[in-house]
Amino acid sequence: QVQLQESGPGLVKPSETLSLTCTVSGGPVGSFYWSWIRQSPEKGLEWIGYVYYDGSSKYNPSLKSRVTMSVDRPENQISLKLTSVTAADSAVYYCASGSAGGYGYFDYWGQGTLVAVSS
Amino acid sequence: DIQMTQSPSSLSASVGDRVTITCRASQGISNYLAWYQQKPGKVPKLLIHAASTLQSGVPPRFSGSGSGSDFTLTISRLQPEDFATYFCQNYDSAPWTFGQGTKVEIK
Repeated sequence: QVQLQESGPGLVKPSETLSLTCTVSGGPVGSFYWSWIRQSPEKGLEWIGYVYYDGSSKYNPSLKSRVTMSVDRPENQISLKLTSVTAADSAVYYCASGSAGGYGYFDYWGQGTLVAVSS
Repeated sequence: DIQMTQSPSSLSASVGDRVTITCRASQGISNYLAWYQQKPGKVPKLLIHAASTLQSGVPPRFSGSGSGSDFTLTISRLQPEDFATYFCQNYDSAPWTFGQGTKVEIK
């Protein structure tokens, strides 16, 4: 069974870069799409984007100019970088994928990591 | 972006009740629709994908229907563990989008 674990700082200052890592266990990152999703009371669930195991990616246009996702296959990790953060980026951030390949819907979720943007 | 609108936003029901939640897409999404259940402080759990395909391990009292732009999640006989918030999700075309959620509360 694939398990996902997000990690990263819980507090980021405004205008700085949010960096999170998702460690995959129980299976390789290969052949899967890996998404980042965030959840806040204000915006609900918001899909940030996905990265494929080969490094190709697709981002939500609302965040595209600030987002970078990447895959580290030797380490079995996926990373998220979000630049120029504001308070509106405060949320619980999840990495997610799916047993059917992870394209579209998600039955693999990390436990989520709460990120607050504040000085 | 495709907007997903759920109704109602919340409902009160009793154990044993039949509950129906609807989700409308702002444009047709074929059957590329998933439903999730989320309990407070927990991670969303996939219930249904492809509008009506029950995820492995999900009780058969949950069912989904619909195609195009109108979809329904039905819980045939509400159980105590079903009190939660339910979300629909479009995965027809990126950006994949979620409904705002429907909170099912105990009457």
